[in-house]
Amino acid sequence: AQSVSQHNHHVILSEAASLELGCNYSYGGTVNLFWYVQYPGQHLQLLLKYFSGDPLVKGIKGFEAEFIKSKFSFNLRKPSVQWSDTAEYFCAVNAYSGAGSYQLTFGKGTKLSVIP
Amino acid sequence: DGGITQSPKYLFRKEGQNVTLSCEQNLNHDAMYWYRQDPGQGLRLIYYSQIVNDFQKGDIAEGYSVSREKKESFPLTVTSAQKNPTAFYLCASSSMGQGRQPQHFGDGTRLSIL
Repeated sequence: AQSVSQHNHHVILSEAASLELGCNYSYGGTVNLFWYVQYPGQHLQLLLKYFSGDPLVKGIKGFEAEFIKSKFSFNLRKPSVQWSDTAEYFCAVNAYSGAGSYQLTFGKGTKLSVIP
Repeated sequence: DGGITQSPKYLFRKEGQNVTLSCEQNLNHDAMYWYRQDPGQGLRLIYYSQIVNDFQKGDIAEGYSVSREKKESFPLTVTSAQKNPTAFYLCASSSMGQGRQPQHFGDGTRLSIL
C-alpha cells in the first residue's frame, strides 16, 4: 500500500522567512501529486498539482513544489511567507490501485504558524 | 456557485445510536469520497464511489456504511459498531480522469459522542 510522509508536524516561522515542507511517498509506479491547504475554519483547497512534464510546478499564492522522482519527494516551497499563510498543509499522492481506479493517500499534515 | 454541501456542521450522537451525515454536490462529478480527519492523523479514506449504485471500502470502513442512489448525493452512516466515532468528517468529489482530477472538499461535519 502506498504511504505519504510529511516530515514536520508543526513549523513556526516569522513573516518573510522562507518555507520548505517535506513530503515523501512510497509507490514505485506513476503518481499524480497534490498539495492541499486548510486555512483555519475553512475547507481543504487545492494549492498545486503535478501530473507530468516540468517537475517544478507553481501554484496559487506564490507556492511552488518540486517533484524529484529519484527521491520520491514532492516538497512545497515559498520564498517569503506571510501571516495569512498560517494553515495546515497536506501532501497527497494519487496512484493506480487496480481495477481501473485510483486512490488518493494523504500525509498527516503539517501545521504552519507564521508570526507577524 | 458549484460546490459540496455537508450537513449538519455539528452532530452529537448518543451511545448505540446510528447517525447519518449528508453530502450533496452540484459539480456534476462522478466520484465521491468520505474521509475522517483526526488531529495528527491527516485524512483517512472511509468509502468512495466512482459511479451511482457502486461504492468501495477505503482504509477504515469498519463501522460505517454508505449509499449512492443519486449522482449528487453520498450519505455516510456512522453505525453503533464504530467504537470511536468522534472526529471531523470530510466529503469530497472529483471528475474521473485517470487520477489526475483534484478532489473538491466540503466544509465538514464534526461528530461528537454524548
